Amino acid sequence: DAGITQSPRHKVTETGTPVTLRCHQTENHRYMYWYRQDPGHGLRLIHYSYGVKDTDKGEVSDGYSVSRSKTEDFLLTLESATSSQTSVYFCAIMTGTDDRVYGYTFGSGTRLTVV
Amino acid sequence: GNSVTQMEGPVTLSEEAFLTINCTYTATGYPSLFWYVQYPGEGLQLLLKATKADDKGSNKGFEATYRKETTSFHLEKGSVQVSDSAVYFCAVRASNTGKLIFGQGTTLQVKP
Repeated sequence: DAGITQSPRHKVTETGTPVTLRCHQTENHRYMYWYRQDPGHGLRLIHYSYGVKDTDKGEVSDGYSVSRSKTEDFLLTLESATSSQTSVYFCAIMTGTDDRVYGYTFGSGTRLTVV
Repeated sequence: GNSVTQMEGPVTLSEEAFLTINCTYTATGYPSLFWYVQYPGEGLQLLLKATKADDKGSNKGFEATYRKETTSFHLEKGSVQVSDSAVYFCAVRASNTGKLIFGQGTTLQVKP
């Protein structure tokens, strides 16, 4: 199984503070993704990366930024946290290649509460 | 852009009933299609996938066929069990961008 870990697992932060979530993979998978999961909305794509320093926006990117300076790490930053960003955040990696997609492996999630 | 529409839930069935969860998609090119399952309190697990038209994905008694003509990927199971109670997500991967987009999820509750 592809190794993927998210940190922290839980975080409570105050409105207006910056927050960074980390996703780490132990293999050299090219594609990495950040999603948020909210009741009634399923999983919505925030940003994704297709290589070191190569990122693109998803459906709900406002208020979020990402960085990928190394293959193994994909960071999600909430520039100034708001209560509407209270959610469960999932990272995912794609296993396989563009021509042969095996699937996507998800991290265990980060539960973020903005108070 | 690409999108996925799933049938509204929750779906409540008795054990051994037949299950269908509808999923339709919009995507350009030649997308890959997936079903993921999320059991209570857990993360997402791949249930099955199909990467080209007319492919049938199957796993644990679940099946789905990639229908390009109707842009659908409906999930079916002939006889559900209580242990199948979970949230099921349909997803589409755009071949040209690599984006993976999910539907809103369908909650399945199976009663003994």
